[in-house]
Amino acid sequence: GQNIDQPTEMTATEGAIVQINCTYQTSGFNGLFWYQQHAGEAPTFLSYNVLDGLEEKGRFSSFLSRSKGYSYLLLKELQMKDSASYLCAVRDSNYQLIWGAGTKLIIKP
Amino acid sequence: IAGITQAPTSQILAAGRRMTLRCTQDMRHNAMYWYRQDLGLGLRLIHYSNTAGTTGKGEVPDGYSVSRANTDDFPLTLASAVPSQTSVYFCASSDSTGVGELFFGEGSRLTVL
Repeated sequence: GQNIDQPTEMTATEGAIVQINCTYQTSGFNGLFWYQQHAGEAPTFLSYNVLDGLEEKGRFSSFLSRSKGYSYLLLKELQMKDSASYLCAVRDSNYQLIWGAGTKLIIKP
Repeated sequence: IAGITQAPTSQILAAGRRMTLRCTQDMRHNAMYWYRQDLGLGLRLIHYSNTAGTTGKGEVPDGYSVSRANTDDFPLTLASAVPSQTSVYFCASSDSTGVGELFFGEGSRLTVL
């Protein structure tokens, strides 16, 4: 079966750096997405990786290793507003999105 | 403001009742999707539509139906609601099948008693 694994919850301190990991086992691969979802709100797009390597976008970076079935989202200079759930999703060979359960990130002052 | 509008935002429903969740987008996206989100689980695809006039079944289609009469609207119907359909429902769209990022509506919280 297809599977996306992410930690359920992480805690970090304001101003620090946090890395949220995502491992996947899917039938084929056509890209990996990271979304941010604040409590009670809709998911919003953060990043997209289809080739190996690091994609940087401001304070957020996303890394992909297709051979290892692994990605991470790196958040720098954490702010209180970064408290949210972070969803990893992989597009499989049928171009369907397979979603992880999300990682709830708690930022402490 | 362009985007996706869902209605209602919240609804309490008696089991056995029929319910339609509405979804409208004004971005002229071809592909539209309905997901449900339950605590501890990833988003699960209920139904999708790659273009107006076509629909397909997702991972958890039983008990739900959809239609896509035009590009903008993609309603989700629960013919006879059951308590296990208590969930938050998200409608989403993307500008091309299997390629673009998804844009989500604000969600519809449905409680079936």
